[in-house]
Order: sequence, then structure tokens, then C-alpha cells
Amino acid sequence: AQKITQTQPGMFVQEKEAVTLDCTYDTSDPSYGLFWYKQPSSGEMIFLIYQGSYDQQNATEGRYSLNFQKARKSANLVISASQLGDSAMYFCAMREGSSGGYNKLIFGAGTRLAVHP
Amino acid sequence: DSGVTQTPKHLITATGQRVTLRCSPRSGDLSVYWYQQSLDQGLQFLIQYYNGEERAKGNILERFSAQQFPDLHSELNLSSLELGDSALYFCASSVLVAENNEQFFGPGTRLTVL
Repeated sequence: AQKITQTQPGMFVQEKEAVTLDCTYDTSDPSYGLFWYKQPSSGEMIFLIYQGSYDQQNATEGRYSLNFQKARKSANLVISASQLGDSAMYFCAMREGSSGGYNKLIFGAGTRLAVHP
Repeated sequence: DSGVTQTPKHLITATGQRVTLRCSPRSGDLSVYWYQQSLDQGLQFLIQYYNGEERAKGNILERFSAQQFPDLHSELNLSSLELGDSALYFCASSVLVAENNEQFFGPGTRLTVL
């Protein structure tokens, strides 16, 4: 069965430093997508970055990059130059199957990141 | 602002009652998803609709039902409510043919069952 594991319940980082949030996944489907979402204390879910299973290069979006290691089934989120506003809960998620109809997301338990000044 | 709207933002009700949560997807999105976020279960997929038809079902209880209307808005009906149904309910929408099938989440409806 498909599964997402985030082993870090909480992390803290100094402002302006980089931080890596871990995510491992398990699936037998050759086609899948990996997502990271941010949930601030206000509760909304904010999309950060996406990596497709067939993408050759690691995804990047501004200060966010995804360290995709397919053989190890890991999709770690790297946040560079942390800001106080990055303090939030971060969820790794996987889309089952290929695009075209069945796109439900399976979420990990989340990692709470605290950025210290 | 994701473009997905959910009403109401907060809902407080009693056990045994029935409530309806409403979601309007982003303009042009045909797919709507419902998720439940609770302290003990985390974020769980409930159900997906595409252009009015049910497409995928997750851990949705029989007491819960959903539908998507011709104007693409969706409603999640929760009946015979129990204390354990207290959670944050998210609606998300997506353009099915988008390359990354990003799901845009609404602000959520926080349900409290007393």
C-alpha cells in the first residue's frame, strides 16, 4: 500500500540558515507525484513544490527545492535562507497513480518547523 | 488566496446532528476532493468528484456523503455526528489535465461536535 513517512515531528532552524525536511514514500506504482504543502497556524494548506516520478531534474521553486532520490524513495524538502514566516507545519504528500482521473493525495504526519531569530 | 471557497468557516453542533459543508472550486477546475484533518488521524482523503461523478473514495464513513452539482460546487453531508467527527474539513480542486495535478486547497471548515 502507498505510504508517506515523515520521521521528524519537529525541527528548528536559525533564521537565514537552510533546513531539510525528510520524506520517504512507498509505492509500487511506477507513475506517481510528490508534493509538499505548508500549513501555517491559520490552517490553510499552501502548495509549495511538486516532483513527478519521471522528472529527471529535482524541482525548485524559489527558496524551496526537492531533493528527489528515486532509488531510496525519498523526497526531502530543502528550504534555503529560512525566514520567520516559514514557521509552520509541513506535509509531504503523494498522488497515487497517473494523471487523468484518480488523483487523491496521501499525506504524511507532518513536520512542525520553527524558525528562530 | 487559492480561489477555492468553503462555507462555513466554523461550525459547532451537537452529537447526532447533521451538517452540510459547501465548497466552490476554482474557476475551470472540474475535480473536487474532500479531506479530513483530525488530531488522531492526520490528513485523510475522503472522496473525489470529477465533473459531477464520483471518481475515488477513501476512508469515508457511511454516515458521510458528498455530491458535485452541475455548477461544479460540491457539498459534504455529515450525519449522526459523533464527537470523533470534530475536525478540519478541507475541499481541494484541480484541473485534471494539468501537468502536476496540483490540488488547490480551500481555507477549510472547522467542525466541532459537542
